[in-house]
Amino acid sequence: DAGVIQSPRHEVTEMGQEVTLRCKPISGHNSLFWYRQTMMRGLELLIYFNNNVPIDDSGMPEDRFSAKMPNASFSTLKIQPSEPRDSAVYFCASSLQAGGGYTFGSGTRLTVV
Amino acid sequence: QQQVKQSPQSLIVQKGGISIINCAYENTAFDYFPWYQQFPGKGPALLIAIRPDVSEKKEGRFTISFNKSAKQFSLHIMDSQPGDSATYFCAAVNTGGFKTIFGAGTRLFVKA
Repeated sequence: DAGVIQSPRHEVTEMGQEVTLRCKPISGHNSLFWYRQTMMRGLELLIYFNNNVPIDDSGMPEDRFSAKMPNASFSTLKIQPSEPRDSAVYFCASSLQAGGGYTFGSGTRLTVV
Repeated sequence: QQQVKQSPQSLIVQKGGISIINCAYENTAFDYFPWYQQFPGKGPALLIAIRPDVSEKKEGRFTISFNKSAKQFSLHIMDSQPGDSATYFCAAVNTGGFKTIFGAGTRLFVKA
């Protein structure tokens, strides 16, 4: 298995633009998580899907953030409009079950200028 | 109650030495405690994990010690190598729920 695949690896965008991050979880994993990592706040859970259904999005910072999982093999995290404070590394992770260990992707480093 | 406190924030160890990272939690509902290792430019990777019904788990040079009564657990890296230089995160999971609560991370540097 190729693991959790995220794209793009790097994204530089101007403030106000829409940004879409993509994730392909490991086949057979039924839980998917989006995390944001910054030096100041560490790893923050943004949203969790189970069987493609959003279960908890309480970590999504604002309405500017939205996430979808249209099928078991694809998820997106969208930021519209983007702001400089959104600059961070965004990780997608999947697991066989929500309460077990996670497999993380390599992340998308987002820079908003 | 949901926090996991991790220390130290950074650690420098000589090659061949023992690296020790400590974590403490408060919520007794946690029942799965994984450790993750993260190299620069990569995502965290599951390293080793323990459930509270055992006091120690060893995998190669990596050992988790678990003290249920004190609500503390630690990672020991024996014979530390420069290749172990990375950021280590402890975590706690309530497997009846879904959230993994991560510690703040420890940046380990092993001097050659």
